[in-house]
Amino acid sequence: NAGVMQNPRHLVRRRGQEARLRCSPMKGHSHVYWYRQLPEEGLKFMVYLQKENIIDESGMPKERFSAEFPKEGPSILRIQQVVRGDSAAYFCASSPARSEQYFGPGTRLTVT
Amino acid sequence: GIQVEQSPPDLILQEGANSTLRCNFSDSVNNLQWFHQNPWGQLINLFYIPSGTKQNGRLSATTVATERYSLLYISSSQTTDSGVYFCAGCRETSGSRLTFGEGTQLTVNP
Repeated sequence: NAGVMQNPRHLVRRRGQEARLRCSPMKGHSHVYWYRQLPEEGLKFMVYLQKENIIDESGMPKERFSAEFPKEGPSILRIQQVVRGDSAAYFCASSPARSEQYFGPGTRLTVT
Repeated sequence: GIQVEQSPPDLILQEGANSTLRCNFSDSVNNLQWFHQNPWGQLINLFYIPSGTKQNGRLSATTVATERYSLLYISSSQTTDSGVYFCAGCRETSGSRLTFGEGTQLTVNP
């Protein structure tokens, strides 16, 4: 059973560009979570989704950030007009229910 | 939301030593997990342990839910144990969002 997959693993964007991060949950998992780890800091919750629904987005910045988990395909975290402060590691996790969360390898975003 | 406090923040050991890492929660949690972030940045699930005791090889964990703390034991440490250890939890009323502690940076020297 493959683990949580994230791509790309590394992403470099210039200020003002858009970043799209993809997450494929483990097989049989319908709950997806996104977390962000800023340099030298712990992980912070961003958003919790189930298929076609955003359940909790209390950790998402109000502007430029959006997330979706469509009926088909991976979950997408989208950051518009990136700024240097968006440079971080973005982790996706999945779970079969509200239980143990399994984390992907992360996407390291660098904004130049 | 809940507050998660980990101790110690840093720990340096010689290979073969044992250690105990602690995690305190400001409120009761219904999901508690321990993770190891290796030097390559990957988060490895160690334990899902809302209560009780579990063991996996040289690692074991104990959660005392009524007193809102959890302990991670590492025995006979190896250099590959180096990295950051995080605990994280969530409350029933907080949905499923995990709140992480600041981590314990462990360095095991040969």
